[in-house]
Amino acid sequence: DAGITQSPRHKVTETGTPVTLRCHQTENHRYMYWYRQDPGHGLRLIHYSYGVKDTDKGEVSDGYSVSRSKTEDFLLTLESATSSQTSVYFCAIREVGGESSYEQYFGPGTRLTVT
Amino acid sequence: DQQVKQNSPSLSVQEGRISILNCDYTNSMFDYFLWYKKYPAEGPTFLISISSIKDKNEDGRFTVFLNKSAKHLSLHIVPSQPGDSAVYFCAASAMGGTSYGKLTFGQGTILTVHP
Repeated sequence: DAGITQSPRHKVTETGTPVTLRCHQTENHRYMYWYRQDPGHGLRLIHYSYGVKDTDKGEVSDGYSVSRSKTEDFLLTLESATSSQTSVYFCAIREVGGESSYEQYFGPGTRLTVT
Repeated sequence: DQQVKQNSPSLSVQEGRISILNCDYTNSMFDYFLWYKKYPAEGPTFLISISSIKDKNEDGRFTVFLNKSAKHLSLHIVPSQPGDSAVYFCAASAMGGTSYGKLTFGQGTILTVHP
């Protein structure tokens, strides 16, 4: 158990509204990631963080922003939600050190529906 | 441009037999590969990994084979059990440098193990 929680677990929102998803970890991991999962696409990286206030874009970052003001929280914001952002969102952390440095551990996911 | 591909959307296997899941990649910078298993309504869970300095890694019923020249990896599950029924994702990473451990995922293969 990597101590990762995501909130909310489910959300329905309307097109054009802002939405913030939260990822919280309890074990002080430096690296955190946001992915979205869609049928036929697997998981695609949205944004990632390599430390407090250090973030960068992933493969599908358009329409998303992130913030990391403290180690334990990584927030994903949809400034103005669109129907194409209906998806399941997963947060992940990476433990660093030893042979398992490239394994990521995932939270339970947030199912977001934009109507 | 799909850098990691799982060309079989689904696989059906009888309990006790071998399951073989395949994955191909195109980016020659990838040098670390992972398999994840995902049940519905849960986050992906790490199964097994292999670095490019090896061609085989085994963990219990799970073995991953890497063929670098063909840019191909496979996951063997022997013997298959009904509880193995899930979606399996392969993922790849380029270690070191400025990769920050980012993972690129395949589309996933749905494995069904029949009793």
